[in-house]
Amino acid sequence: SQQGEEDPQALSIQEGENATMNCSYKTSINNLQWYRQNSGRGLVHLILIRSNEREKHSGRLRVTLDTSKKSSSLLITASRAADTASYFCATDAEIQGAQKLVFGQGTRLTINP
Amino acid sequence: AAGVIQSPRHLIKEKRETATLKCYPIPRHDTVYWYQQGPGQDPQFLISFYEKMQSDKGSIPDRFSAQQFSDYHSELNMSSLELGDSALYFCASSSPDTLFYEQYFGPGTRLTVT
Repeated sequence: SQQGEEDPQALSIQEGENATMNCSYKTSINNLQWYRQNSGRGLVHLILIRSNEREKHSGRLRVTLDTSKKSSSLLITASRAADTASYFCATDAEIQGAQKLVFGQGTRLTINP
Repeated sequence: AAGVIQSPRHLIKEKRETATLKCYPIPRHDTVYWYQQGPGQDPQFLISFYEKMQSDKGSIPDRFSAQQFSDYHSELNMSSLELGDSALYFCASSSPDTLFYEQYFGPGTRLTVT
């Protein structure tokens, strides 16, 4: 079953609003990462939060991690049209003896001008 | 506009050999990231450097090491190469002035271990 599952699958908001995307996972992790991907482009690493961290900030991004609930959230504040993209969480965990980065299905975020 | 430069673009090594990959970030970018993408796999974050200091560490094997130099270029050193190290290695650079500290990816170095 999917290690990383994202919620919602699609989100459409007005420019200037905040966008919150959630990610849940199943196994213990070393860290959780968020990526962005513009349509047809490669993945862009946004931020990494370790399992012993609870919150991290980077520019207009805020990431939280709740290991007891096995969930993370990505908040984008004061959204801009250029933030339109798909956002993926990826968990870095040891699975079957191997370190593995597992991506979720992603949230398609649309910012309407 | 200048982009991230990686060299070499292709590299073939034998098992147990060493390899050095180089990355030249976009001018005025102070942060460098390394990623590994195996065949048919998602990219995996290995390590990053900010102002010549290691800033984040991901799934980088102990056999690999990296550093960022005074001119901000970075080198990924890989020793005791294994067949499983065959992958595309991306370098990316960013600057606090870019959107989301957005990373700009280089074209990658394709490493084949035989």
